Amino acid sequence: GQNIDQPTEMTATEGAIVQINCTYQTSGFNGLFWYQQHAGEAPTFLSYNVLDGLEEKGRFSSFLSRSKGYSYLLLKELQMKDSASYLCAVRSDSNYQLIWGAGTKLIIKP
Amino acid sequence: DSGVTQTPKHLITATGQRVTLRCSPRSGDLSVYWYQQSLDQGLQFLIQYYNGEERAKGNILERFSAQQFPDLHSELNLSSLELGDSALYFCASSVEEGRPSTDTQYFGPGTRLTVL
Repeated sequence: GQNIDQPTEMTATEGAIVQINCTYQTSGFNGLFWYQQHAGEAPTFLSYNVLDGLEEKGRFSSFLSRSKGYSYLLLKELQMKDSASYLCAVRSDSNYQLIWGAGTKLIIKP
Repeated sequence: DSGVTQTPKHLITATGQRVTLRCSPRSGDLSVYWYQQSLDQGLQFLIQYYNGEERAKGNILERFSAQQFPDLHSELNLSSLELGDSALYFCASSVEEGRPSTDTQYFGPGTRLTVL
């Protein structure tokens, strides 16, 4: 079957660093996406990885290891506005559809 | 602002009724995707259209149907509504149909449906 696992909830402190993990088992692999979703709002695109390694975009970085079926999203210098759910999605190469994880709710405390 | 528009923003209706949700994709995008998100739940993929044709189906109920028109806007029709259909319904669009792998989905603001 196809499966994506993320922690349900994480808590971190303002100004700190947090790493949100995502592991996947899918029918083939054709890219991994991270989205941010504030409560009641639309998901917004954060990052895309298809090759192994780290992609950096300002305070956010995303890492991929295809051999391990593993990715993480690293958020640095946390701000209160980073409180949101973070969704991991993998594109399979069987039908090119995105398979979505349930999301990780990140709570930032002062 | 992603460039994807959805109407209406909110919809309140009664059980047994039928509603239509509308989505206009970003300029140049050929694919439209519909998702359902119940309270504190993950995104559930419903259906995808590409350039007017159905491309993929997810967990879409038989009471639900969709179409994409020649101008590429899309409508999601929900009929015989039940209390459990209350959810946020998102539309997303992308340039292609999932290939190349970089094809990124951009989401509209959603329609919040409440069935009483």
